[in-house]
Amino acid sequence: EVQLVESGGGLEQPGGSLRLSCAASGFTFNTYALSWVRQAPGKGLEWVSAISPGGSTYYADSVKGRFTISRDSSKSTLYLQMNSLRADDTAVYYCAKGEIQWEFPPGAFDIWGQGTMVTVSS
Amino acid sequence: QSVLTQPPSVSGAPGQRVTISCTGNSFNIGTGYDVHWYQQLRGTAPKLLIYGNGNRPSGVPDRFSGSKSGTSASLAITGLQAEDEADYYCQSYDTSLSGPCVFGTGTKVTVL
Repeated sequence: EVQLVESGGGLEQPGGSLRLSCAASGFTFNTYALSWVRQAPGKGLEWVSAISPGGSTYYADSVKGRFTISRDSSKSTLYLQMNSLRADDTAVYYCAKGEIQWEFPPGAFDIWGQGTMVTVSS
Repeated sequence: QSVLTQPPSVSGAPGQRVTISCTGNSFNIGTGYDVHWYQQLRGTAPKLLIYGNGNRPSGVPDRFSGSKSGTSASLAITGLQAEDEADYYCQSYDTSLSGPCVFGTGTKVTVL
């Protein structure tokens, strides 16, 4: 079964850091693009960052310079290092798998994790 | 701020047909990028509903259909059912942004 499981969320103070993880299983990890998508409380979906099968990285303007996406193929795990956190980073963070193997843009997001909540507050 | 615009809400009685529009521009839908649709039930992760403008993943009822024309796309739900009450989002890619992926503003579907 293809599955994504996020972890690492929690409460952090403004200016602090958190690292989110997304453990993948059931597919060849480094042959698909993976993304982070967030959803602030009561708001819509916002794409945050992506990593292509070739390792190229992409970021939304709202997180560029503060967040870093990476992956460890030996562990089939995707990461999001979040630094200089702000209150408006408060959201549920989902990891999502691209639909098309070896492609970027990868088409649709066909598999989503259950999400992990990040709260930035003093 | 999303570059794909959807109506905030649509509603219909059970059995009726409702449509949700997704309006983009020449930098996203109009470039030829496909449009995809997601359904998000309350308190759950989004689920892929339509991919490649009008294709349904396995297990998605044929009550759901999608189409694309020019700089817009639409999702139709025919034979509306109570279980269809959810938030719906379109998604595509954009050449004018530093980050290529964009979601629509989202539409709440209410079954009366």
